[in-house]
Amino acid sequence: ELKVEQNPLFLSMQEGKNYTIYCNYSTTSDRLYWYRQDPGKSLESLFVLLSNGAVKQEGRLMASLDTKARLSTLHITAAVHDLSATYFCAAANAGGTSYGKLTFGQGTILTVHP
Amino acid sequence: GAGVSQSPSNKVTEKGKDVELRCDPISGHTALYWYRQSLGQGLEFLIYFQGNSAPDKSGLPSDRFSAERTGGSVSTLTIQRTQQEDSAVYLCASSRIRTSGVDYNEQFFGPGTRLTVL
Repeated sequence: ELKVEQNPLFLSMQEGKNYTIYCNYSTTSDRLYWYRQDPGKSLESLFVLLSNGAVKQEGRLMASLDTKARLSTLHITAAVHDLSATYFCAAANAGGTSYGKLTFGQGTILTVHP
Repeated sequence: GAGVSQSPSNKVTEKGKDVELRCDPISGHTALYWYRQSLGQGLEFLIYFQGNSAPDKSGLPSDRFSAERTGGSVSTLTIQRTQQEDSAVYLCASSRIRTSGVDYNEQFFGPGTRLTVL
């Protein structure tokens, strides 16, 4: 059974600082996703990572995937208040009848302070 | 274009009543998913429809939960004899399994239905 763990679960950052959120998954997965959720809102897709070594960047966020280590990271550069949200990673089953199913991590609540 | 829509946005019901939650996926998306988000359990997969294939029901927590998808588009999640532990936000997502030969299966989520069982 695929399991996904994120850390840290809570992250309080100062504006301008850098930090990384880690996402480990337990079994083979060929797709890794990052989502953002603002309070009271739904999930917004940030990144889709499909292969080992994949790196994607959007603004101050950069995501990477290491399938051998079963690890994805979400790196935040020079944080700003607008990045405050909950970030989820999710891994997809590699195949079979549960192909489309996503297993989510617990979420990381990020708060950026002035 | 239009995203995934869900209705109602909020539903308050009494314990023991049945409820129906509706999801309209993005036009052209062949796959549709239901998830549940609650404080205690986080985000949980419930059920997945892909085209005309038999749905993957492996995440449904009990036989009180059922879902159908009519005409390959709109889906309804039904919870019978609701219990207080069913209180959660029910999220629907849809995806296009293949895009130009690359299988992203990027899932786009609707705004959710907040269900409160009194």
